[in-house]
Amino acid sequence: AQSVAQPEDQVNVAEGNPLTVKCTYSVSGNPYLFWYVQYPNRGLQFLLKYITGDNLVKGSYGFEAEFNKSQTSFHLKKPSALVSDSALYFCAVRQRDYGQNFVFGPGTRLSVLP
Amino acid sequence: EAQVTQNPRYLITVTGKKLTVTCSQNMNHEYMSWYRQDPGLGLRQIYYSMNVEVTDKGDVPEGYKVSRKEKRNFPLILESPSPNQTSLYFCASVAGGASSYNEQFFGPGTRLTVL
Repeated sequence: AQSVAQPEDQVNVAEGNPLTVKCTYSVSGNPYLFWYVQYPNRGLQFLLKYITGDNLVKGSYGFEAEFNKSQTSFHLKKPSALVSDSALYFCAVRQRDYGQNFVFGPGTRLSVLP
Repeated sequence: EAQVTQNPRYLITVTGKKLTVTCSQNMNHEYMSWYRQDPGLGLRQIYYSMNVEVTDKGDVPEGYKVSRKEKRNFPLILESPSPNQTSLYFCASVAGGASSYNEQFFGPGTRLTVL
């Protein structure tokens, strides 16, 4: 069965500092990996995805994520955090070869402090 | 504008009173899905549909029904709602079939309270 873990419920970072939101996954085949962001009272918005190829993927709003197959991780990063990045972040996985289901992690709340 | 719409956005009801939450997408997407979001649990998939007349259970299907008679619509039906179905519900759609690597488009959410 597929599963996604986000080990931190909350991440606090000062504005201008780099941020990392962690994600690890478990899937029996090769995964498609996604990051979504949810702002208050809004639906989820797509940030970026890993399909194949370069392990470092770049997405919206200056975010990037690094796929590490040996550690089964897909951590979200940004070199310089903004207060407006404060939101709830979800990692999701879909199994490549028989991927009817999407599985989401529990979410990490990011607070960027001015 | 490409979008997923849900109605109603907010609903307060009582135990046992049947309700339907509608979902519609205008992107001609094959795959549609329903999730519920609960604090600390993230999004859990209720049902999904690979195409018209093709639906299947997700991780938490108990107490819910769905139908997919048209490609654009995927209503969620609660035949006899109970308080443990109080939650925030999201509909989503994806272009492509079972092996698609495309991202999901989410609706704005429906906040349901069952008294």
